[in-house]
Amino acid sequence: SQTIHQWPATLVQPVGSPLSLECTVEGTSNPNLYWYRQAAGRGLQLLFYSVGIGQISSEVPQNLSASRPQDRQFILSSKKLLLSDSGFYLCAWSVFREKLFFGSGTQLSVL
Amino acid sequence: KQEVTQIPAALSVPEGENLVLNCSFTDSAIYNLQWFRQDPGKGLTSLLLIQSSQREQTSGRLNASLDKSSGRSTLYIAASQPGDSATYLCAPHSRQLTFGSGTQLTVLP
Repeated sequence: SQTIHQWPATLVQPVGSPLSLECTVEGTSNPNLYWYRQAAGRGLQLLFYSVGIGQISSEVPQNLSASRPQDRQFILSSKKLLLSDSGFYLCAWSVFREKLFFGSGTQLSVL
Repeated sequence: KQEVTQIPAALSVPEGENLVLNCSFTDSAIYNLQWFRQDPGKGLTSLLLIQSSQREQTSGRLNASLDKSSGRSTLYIAASQPGDSATYLCAPHSRQLTFGSGTQLTVLP
């Protein structure tokens, strides 16, 4: 069966520090991969999605970036965090136009 | 741009009641629509997926309907239980999934 792993569960980082969140999927090949952010009291915002290795589409301009170095690995990064980057970050996977499966999320607090 | 509205924003019901959560969306050119459940501090769990050609989908006590032409979907929960307490989100899939802000459901024992 397919599983998705996302870590860490919580993260507290100072403003200006770098960020790296990692997500891996098991049990499927060539999944579509997604990074979402959920800010307090707001809906889910799609940040990045990827349909294959090295293929990244960005939905919103920001100081975040994403990479897909392997088929089932998706990484969210920042060189310098801003206060506004605080939020709940969720990785997800799907096959083409089918159900979306989410990881357990990372609560990021930038202080 | 797809816009999704969920009504009500919050709902509190006694255990055993049947209830309906509403979702409306502006772009009817969708491939499918999913309903998700989110517990506090957790990721989302997919409950039901309705393809654009379907009118409804059922799973246990849950029934979701879709009226694509009018841009509406409903999630019906039968015989609600305290364990159903969570936030429920709908997400129509046009170019990408667009999420509503959710309905926060509390089922009182």
